[in-house]
Amino acid sequence: ETGVTQSPTHLIKTRGQQVTLRCSSQSGHNTVSWYQQALGQGPQFIFQYYREEENGRGNFPPRFSGLQFPNYSSELNVNALELDDSALYLCASSLVDTYYGYTFGSGTRLTVV
Amino acid sequence: AQSVSQHNHHVILSEAASLELGCNYSYGGTVNLFWYVQYPGQHLQLLLKYFSGDPLVKGIKGFEAEFIKSKFSFNLRKPSVQWSDTAEYFCAVTQGNAGNMLTFGGGTRLMVKP
Repeated sequence: ETGVTQSPTHLIKTRGQQVTLRCSSQSGHNTVSWYQQALGQGPQFIFQYYREEENGRGNFPPRFSGLQFPNYSSELNVNALELDDSALYLCASSLVDTYYGYTFGSGTRLTVV
Repeated sequence: AQSVSQHNHHVILSEAASLELGCNYSYGGTVNLFWYVQYPGQHLQLLLKYFSGDPLVKGIKGFEAEFIKSKFSFNLRKPSVQWSDTAEYFCAVTQGNAGNMLTFGGGTRLMVKP
C-alpha cells in the first residue's frame, strides 16, 4: 500500500487569493473525498469524487471546487480565500463501497492571512 | 442533517486505567459507525467500524465499541490504557443509503500519564 499523499504540507496565502491542494489516492482506490478540519474541531465533509465526477457535497460554497483525474488523484481548489478558510485540509481515498473504509492523508495546513 | 456528539472534549487518565469515550449520533435510519484515532503529527487511522451484526465490535490495539441502537450511541472502550494511546479520537457516522459522507464528532483529546 502506498497510502494517501497530499501536497503541499503547509501553505500560507493572502485573503482573496486562490489555492490548489493536491492528493494522490491509495493504490486501488477509485473514490476521493476532501474534508476541512478547523482547529479544535472534527473534520467536515467538503465533497467526494468518483469516476471524475462530484458524487456528494457538504455545506461548502461553490468557491470550493475539485477535480479527479483518470489516475484517481485529485485537486481541491479554493477561490477568493477568506480568513476562516484557515484549516487542515484532509484527503481520503476509498473504494466506492465504503465498507472497506477510508484511508486519510496527513493533510495540508492552509493559513490565510 | 445528521450530527455526531462527543461529550468528553478532554480526558486525562493514568496508565492502566479503563477508558470509555462517549459518542451519540442523531440520525434515525440505518447508520454505519466508525472510530478514528489521530496520533500527534499523524494522519487519521481507523480503529474500528460497525456496519451490521454483533453490536460489540473489536478493533485494533485492544479497543472495542458497542453500538446501542436504542440510545443512538457507539461508545469506545479500552480496559487498560497505555501512554502510547495519547491521541485525539473521533467518532464518525455515514448514513446506510448514502455512505459516501463521513460526519465526524468534534473529537476527544486523550492524555495518558505514565
